[in-house]
Amino acid sequence: GAVVSQHPSRVICKSGTSVKIECRSLDFQATTMFWYRQFPKQSLMLMATSNEGSKATYEQGVEKDKFLINHASLTLSTLTVTSAHPEDSSFYICSARHRDYEQYFGPGTRLTVT
Amino acid sequence: GQNIDQPTEMTATEGAIVQINCTYQTSGFNGLFWYQQHAGEAPTFLSYNVLDGLEEKGRFSSFLSRSKGYSYLLLKELQMKDSASYLCAVVDSNYQLIWGAGTKLIIKP
Repeated sequence: GAVVSQHPSRVICKSGTSVKIECRSLDFQATTMFWYRQFPKQSLMLMATSNEGSKATYEQGVEKDKFLINHASLTLSTLTVTSAHPEDSSFYICSARHRDYEQYFGPGTRLTVT
Repeated sequence: GQNIDQPTEMTATEGAIVQINCTYQTSGFNGLFWYQQHAGEAPTFLSYNVLDGLEEKGRFSSFLSRSKGYSYLLLKELQMKDSASYLCAVVDSNYQLIWGAGTKLIIKP
């Protein structure tokens, strides 16, 4: 149990375009989902905490107008990278809170902006 | 500030035992997680400790001492597939996860 899916797994886009990444909890309801970014050989960096039905809480230094997060249901959260630039190229990972404080991670989305 | 320390890299031999340590200073404590992350993949859950003591799960065990702000992950009978990064994360008083930088474990034949 506690499976989280993420789509797409890889995406290549041109600079200036927007990309949407979906995160779904498949067999449980997640009132809280998290979005992380990970650059090569670095640890996870929390970008924002997403609570169902309310606005996301962004970490310091993360532009909320650039990284749009929507958590419209208990099983789906989306991250939209707007006006993407090459420096936004990274591995984006979502996780969903399940029971206590366990977090289960999606498989990640590798974004490449050309 | 909040801080979690783990060794950057460790090397061990196939079939051996390795212990990865994690020390933490956080505002409050509501549990500690260990995750495994293979290169290019998302982390996978290994263990959760909230009370002092040792939790054993197959070849992996995790230990916690809250008074010392200390945990370790013990891996026995190491296999080549155990080569990965191991992340320690603490749940603070605001129920947020504070992540360590991870320990890269290299297994040699």
